[in-house]
Amino acid sequence: GAGVSQTPSNKVTEKGKYVELRCDPISGHTALYWYRQSLGQGPEFLIYFQGTGAADDSGLPNDRFFAVRPEGSVSTLKIQRTERGDSAVYLCASSSPGNEQFFGPGTRLTVL
Amino acid sequence: AQKITQTQPGMFVQEKEAVTLDCTYDTSDQSYGLFWYKQPSSGEMIFLIYQGSYDEQNATEGRYSLNFQKARKSANLVISASQLGDSAMYFCAMRERDSNYQLIWGAGTKLIIKP
Repeated sequence: GAGVSQTPSNKVTEKGKYVELRCDPISGHTALYWYRQSLGQGPEFLIYFQGTGAADDSGLPNDRFFAVRPEGSVSTLKIQRTERGDSAVYLCASSSPGNEQFFGPGTRLTVL
Repeated sequence: AQKITQTQPGMFVQEKEAVTLDCTYDTSDQSYGLFWYKQPSSGEMIFLIYQGSYDEQNATEGRYSLNFQKARKSANLVISASQLGDSAMYFCAMRERDSNYQLIWGAGTKLIIKP
């Protein structure tokens, strides 16, 4: 079956702009996670959805970051007023609760 | 304090040799899980192996095994008979019981297999 997909694969934007990153999880996976990975580092947790609700958003760095999952499947990570420090690879993962997480290929965000 | 420590930023290993990648962790939870993921240059995170804190036997998956030493809080990954395709970043991660299943990650080890 299809794995986790993320679009776009690359996004270049200018400082101050708004961006949306999309994640399409594995069908049937109720848990969805967003992570951010800076160059040379391990991923950093951002937010976790169980179904439609954000069960844990403690990793979002500030209120410029927001994520939704309105129908319990596709999720969108939204970043307002982007800053150069937001440049990173944004990874999405999905799982059945308690099981291993399966990751998408990531979106590489570059803020100029 | 670091919850997951990977002390080897990079390793070179001859093809067909076994390699051990180190991982130590820090948690006060009695119930937790430890994971290893592989990240090739393409960027995708690939799940390799899982060890639960209550598992009495070391986990194995094909050429991968996890040397779990609970008292020392270490969960080293062992790759037997290394192959050129094993060249990648390797990340150790932990899931604590009360963490809403989020993974806490180490900084990774870059493994390069030499022909």
